[in-house]
Amino acid sequence: DIVMTQSPDSLAVSLGERATISCRSSQSLLYNYNNKNYLAWYQQKPGQPPKLLIYWASTRESGVPDRFSGSGSGTDFTLTVSSLQAEDVAIYYCQQYVSAPRTFGQGTKVEIK
Amino acid sequence: QVQLQESGPGLVKPSETLSLTCTVSGASISNYFWSWIRQPAGKGLEWIGRISTTGSILYSPSLASRVTMSVDMSKNQFSLKLTSVTAADTAVYYCARLRKTGVIWYPDDYWGQGTLVTVSS
Repeated sequence: DIVMTQSPDSLAVSLGERATISCRSSQSLLYNYNNKNYLAWYQQKPGQPPKLLIYWASTRESGVPDRFSGSGSGTDFTLTVSSLQAEDVAIYYCQQYVSAPRTFGQGTKVEIK
Repeated sequence: QVQLQESGPGLVKPSETLSLTCTVSGASISNYFWSWIRQPAGKGLEWIGRISTTGSILYSPSLASRVTMSVDMSKNQFSLKLTSVTAADTAVYYCARLRKTGVIWYPDDYWGQGTLVTVSS
């Protein structure tokens, strides 16, 4: 199985400031067939299911605010929230979907400082 | 608007079988793959497996010996059975949709609200 490791486990950011979350995979998530990284980011608020924010490492899902962006390739990836809003308080998970079983990072809890 | 709704018993006794159904609306179950994912309270997400109406099924190796998934096209539903449950299987169980176009897989995009299953005598 591909192991996904996120850092930090939690972070507190002031409103309007940048939040950055890292995700590292134990194997490359780059699929040569289409030259895409099979890495997704999800946001989960209390009592809700995860919501898909980003896929192919950097493609925003429809309706996701543009303050959310993803970057990275191979085994190292980053989710950035450029200007944290109160509604962004949540746990964020990365997921690899290049091979089965699909695996998730342990999650990063984002709070307001 | 695609919607998924999990249903099933919220309490299962140890050693018995957990059975859940996911009802899909707003999309034909024939056109996609469907997955189950679980999340113990306060913990992370664990992918259980996926199924399609074409007979393609894949289970997580860690659960494969106890898991069975099936699809009912007439009802636009798919199901999960997990045998010989223990307290470690207590979790919120989610069903989700995933797309495949040709050989290109996509992540799980639509999720149900989840249903809590507690294993206890």
